[in-house]
Amino acid sequence: GAGVSQSPSNKVTEKGKDVELRCDPISGHTALYWYRQSLGQGLEFLIYFQGNSAPDKSGLPSDRFSAERTGGSVSTLTIQRTQQEDSAVYLCASKIPGLLYDTQYFGPGTRLTVL
Amino acid sequence: LAKTTQPISMDSYEGQEVNITCSHNNIATNDYITWYQQFPSQGPRFIIQGYKTKVTNEVASLFIPADRKSSTLSLPRVSLSDTAVYYCLVGGPRGNQFYFGTGTSLTVIP
Repeated sequence: GAGVSQSPSNKVTEKGKDVELRCDPISGHTALYWYRQSLGQGLEFLIYFQGNSAPDKSGLPSDRFSAERTGGSVSTLTIQRTQQEDSAVYLCASKIPGLLYDTQYFGPGTRLTVL
Repeated sequence: LAKTTQPISMDSYEGQEVNITCSHNNIATNDYITWYQQFPSQGPRFIIQGYKTKVTNEVASLFIPADRKSSTLSLPRVSLSDTAVYYCLVGGPRGNQFYFGTGTSLTVIP
């Protein structure tokens, strides 16, 4: 596909379990972002990857959250020991940085529900 | 990291022009201003981007005053399908545009 894809689209888990969310960016996009959006709220930045540089993790809310990006492409966001407040839509976006119109292209998101 | 301030919500009737203003007092010299639109259950999508003065595309216009501390998104003749949340971002070409804030929820009324 030509767009950003995310999986799963929905995830229901029990409190205390670990979850992994996947993002496949647009081919050739070296920048990748993860955001969290709680119900009725704006987007909260989590982490930013750019090429081989060290990721910007300044938005991660706690050490239960981590993310990896393998081979400069696919990214996985992991939440350990999930809590009910982690329930939200997790959005991934990618882009080519440095262009004049540096648009972020968003995936459809993963809706996480922690029971 | 430049933060932005927008009205939380706005209402408009169909066919009217809508102007949404965003404040970004701490905008840096290299920062661009970008607006996104988000429909329910979807990720945001790019609308328009500019650096100064005025930019127009097939969807909207963006007005930026000389001091660049604010910007105004103008949507001409809105329709019901323009009901969405609109976000203003500032950031540079290095990719550090990631403060979306709470956005402005626009409701278009028949």
